[in-house]
Amino acid sequence: KNQVEQSPQSLIILEGKNCTLQCNYTVSPFSNLRWYKQDTGRGPVSLTIMTFSENTKSNGRYTATLDADTKQSSLHITASQLSDSASYICVVSEFYSGAGSYQLTFGKGTKLSVIP
Amino acid sequence: NAGVTQTPKFQVLKTGQSMTLQCAQDMNHEYMSWYRQDPGMGLRLIHYSVGAGITDQGEVPNGYNVSRSTTEDFPLRLLSAAPSQTSVYFCASSYWGSGSGHSYEQYFGPGTRLTVT
Repeated sequence: KNQVEQSPQSLIILEGKNCTLQCNYTVSPFSNLRWYKQDTGRGPVSLTIMTFSENTKSNGRYTATLDADTKQSSLHITASQLSDSASYICVVSEFYSGAGSYQLTFGKGTKLSVIP
Repeated sequence: NAGVTQTPKFQVLKTGQSMTLQCAQDMNHEYMSWYRQDPGMGLRLIHYSVGAGITDQGEVPNGYNVSRSTTEDFPLRLLSAAPSQTSVYFCASSYWGSGSGHSYEQYFGPGTRLTVT
């Protein structure tokens, strides 16, 4: 069964510090990996989408890395801000065979709290 | 653009009642889907649609019905609400197509928080 495991489950950091969130997956065949940010009480918002051939992708202070060989991804947040407090969800897409829906497997998320 | 809108934001139902959760998008996206999010679990796909008149089941379809008569709207119907359907429901949409179509960004609505007593 396809799985996406995220660590840590929760994290507290001081404003201005950097942090890295981890995502390991067993989805095969792999198509792409997405990171979403979900503020409390809101829907997820896409941060990055990486395909098999992409190792790194940045979106402002967010940088995602992908190692398709080891099936690992990380999301690095630089110079954290209070507004970065949210859940970060890793989502892996199975290769689309052309039938039905593309299969997305969602991780349970890492809850990040940035404190002053 | 309003993006993906969902109504209502909150709803309380009694066991056995039925209701419809509304979802609309104004981005001309072919693909629309419904997810539920429960504490300690990742989002799970309920139903999806790749265009008007085309719907199919996701991972957890039991107790829910959908229809897609227009590109813009994708309502989710709870036939006979049960306490196990207490959850937060998200609607999402994206472009769709063969090949790399499944790499398109998904846009999520703000969610509907449903409580069944």
